[in-house]
Amino acid sequence: DAGITQSPRHKVTETGTPVTLRCHQTENHRYMYWYRQDPGHGLRLIHYSYGVKDTDKGEVSDGYSVSRSKTEDFLLTLESATSSQTSVYFCASREPSTDTQYFGPGTRLTVL
Amino acid sequence: QQQVKQSPQSLIVQKGGISIINCAYENTAFDYFPWYQQFPGKGPALLIAIRPDVSEKKEGRFTISFNKSAKQFSLHIMDSQPGDSATYFCAARNTGGFKTIFGAGTRLFVKA
Repeated sequence: DAGITQSPRHKVTETGTPVTLRCHQTENHRYMYWYRQDPGHGLRLIHYSYGVKDTDKGEVSDGYSVSRSKTEDFLLTLESATSSQTSVYFCASREPSTDTQYFGPGTRLTVL
Repeated sequence: QQQVKQSPQSLIVQKGGISIINCAYENTAFDYFPWYQQFPGKGPALLIAIRPDVSEKKEGRFTISFNKSAKQFSLHIMDSQPGDSATYFCAARNTGGFKTIFGAGTRLFVKA
């Protein structure tokens, strides 16, 4: 493992509430990613970051925002959670010399 | 929309048999094709990867076959073992790109 942790690991929340998921990496990787994993869809990119304060949208970014104030931390925020955002969320960082993405253990989010 | 199409969705193989998972892509700018393995409750982890300048790459019991003209690549698991039971994702990334596109995944079950 490349030292990627995610918190919380599990969360149950109600529709309309804000939720923030945290990703922390210890490898000083420049690139970081947030994915959601749903049955039949594989891993879909939500947002990614290519440096501190540099972020961009992925293919399923609606309803999500991100922030990266330090190299090691990448936050994903659901401003107003909806049931369609019930999913397993994975954070990853990329080691540029090998192109390898290292994934965290995931956060299972349930929106009631 | 860039896509990577993966098949089959699920696969059951006898211990000692060969597991074959196929992927096809559309974007000819893709130049890096990794396969990730995911066990239940864990994040995906890189298994093996190939670049389009070679037609095959082998690491132990795992082999990627790559057909550039057909825009297809496949993972072969020789002498499949129950411990190989997991979900496998193919993926593709384009030159200079930040984003990796993942297939929908294949759930492999190896019967003892």
